[in-house]
Parts: sequence; structure tokens; C-alpha cells
Amino acid sequence: GAGVSQSPRYKVAKRGQDVALRCDPISGHVSLFWYQQALGQGPEFLTYFQNEAQLDKSGLPSDRFFAERPEGSVSTLKIQRTQQEDSAVYLCASSFGGPAYNSPLHFGNGTRLTVT
Amino acid sequence: GDSVTQMEGPVTLSEEACLTINCTYTATGYPSLFWYVQYPGEGLQLLLKATKADDKGSNKGFEATYRKETTSFHLEKGSVQVSDSAVYFCALSDLGGSARQLTFGSGTQLTVLP
Repeated sequence: GAGVSQSPRYKVAKRGQDVALRCDPISGHVSLFWYQQALGQGPEFLTYFQNEAQLDKSGLPSDRFFAERPEGSVSTLKIQRTQQEDSAVYLCASSFGGPAYNSPLHFGNGTRLTVT
Repeated sequence: GDSVTQMEGPVTLSEEACLTINCTYTATGYPSLFWYVQYPGEGLQLLLKATKADDKGSNKGFEATYRKETTSFHLEKGSVQVSDSAVYFCALSDLGGSARQLTFGSGTQLTVLP
């Protein structure tokens, strides 16, 4: 497709369940980012991939959060033993690569996770 | 660390009114500054950017000037339209830190009434 695709669009999980969120970036985009957006807040950085290498995971809030991009294209964000504070919109973005000032990020529509 | 503070919303204007959304930043290095917009039901998209002091970014009638002396990047439009109703996010990318990732403000909801 022409844009970044995320699935599912909505996910409801019971506390303690594991979830997996998928991101299909724009074809050929080297860089892939995950952001977390709480209600009424701006997106906050979680992690960054360059091809299949996870170069920065400094934003992951706990060891329950895990991201992978094994073949350098599709990425999955996994949250284990979900907690209510994990409820948020999870955004994926991709870019050709390089610094943000000359390689704009293209965002998907996000996955809204609700933990009950 | 880096941070972005933007004007709290929501902002409600009548069509053809003037718009200003304030944005100030704190950065340890040499930031590039951005405005992203999120229309209802859509993903974030880049509206405009400025990469150095005194640069002016512009797009779709919106403008913002990078003011290093006041650490500001206010978004302005002279005459808003109903179609401008969206959430606007100010953001920075700090070349002194991780140049690839963005630090966002909390967003400002704009509603334009006909």
C-alpha cells in the first residue's frame, strides 16, 4: 500500500494478557519507529529500527515491552502481562532513513489498546 | 532533556479568523522544529518544518518561524477554514541527541466553525 499500515485498529485486552501489534511500513523505508500516545498527550518515543537492527529502545517503559523487525520490513510490538497503564494508542512510523530534518516520518493510523 | 510545550486547547474559531498556536521548546543541542497535524480518523502528517534559526516553514497557508532567541516556533494562519479542524502537534528533533526521533508537545485541538 501507499502508507504505513497498522493492525489491529483496536484491541481490547484483559489485564495480564499478552498482545501483539503489527506495523507494515512503506516499502523501502529503512527506519521504523514505535511511539506511544496516551489520551490527550503527544506521542512518546518507544523504539527505533534501522532495517532489522534495533538501534534504540530507550523509550520502552518496562521489560514487558518487546519489539522486533526480523526481516527489516514488518515490525511487531509485543506487550506481555498487560496493565491498565498500557492503555494508549500505539503509533508506528517509517522513513527513508537518516535524521528527521531531511527524512520525514510517515505515521500509521495507530492501534488503540484498551486494557480492562 | 528535550521538551516541547504548546498552547493548551481546545481552540475554537470561526471560519476566516486568525490562528496562532504557541510552541516553545527546550533542547540540549541544535534542534530542527516541526508541526504535525492529525485530521480526524487519520494518521499524523508533517505540516511544515524549519531546520535552523530564522527559517520560516510554510504549507497550506500555515507558517511558523524558528526563533532561537525566544526558543519558540509558533504556528500561524491568517484565515482558517473548516477543513483545518484537527489536532496540531509541535515537535523537535535534536541533532545533539538522537537526530532521528521526535519529541512532541501534547497537541492542540482546533475546531473551526462555519
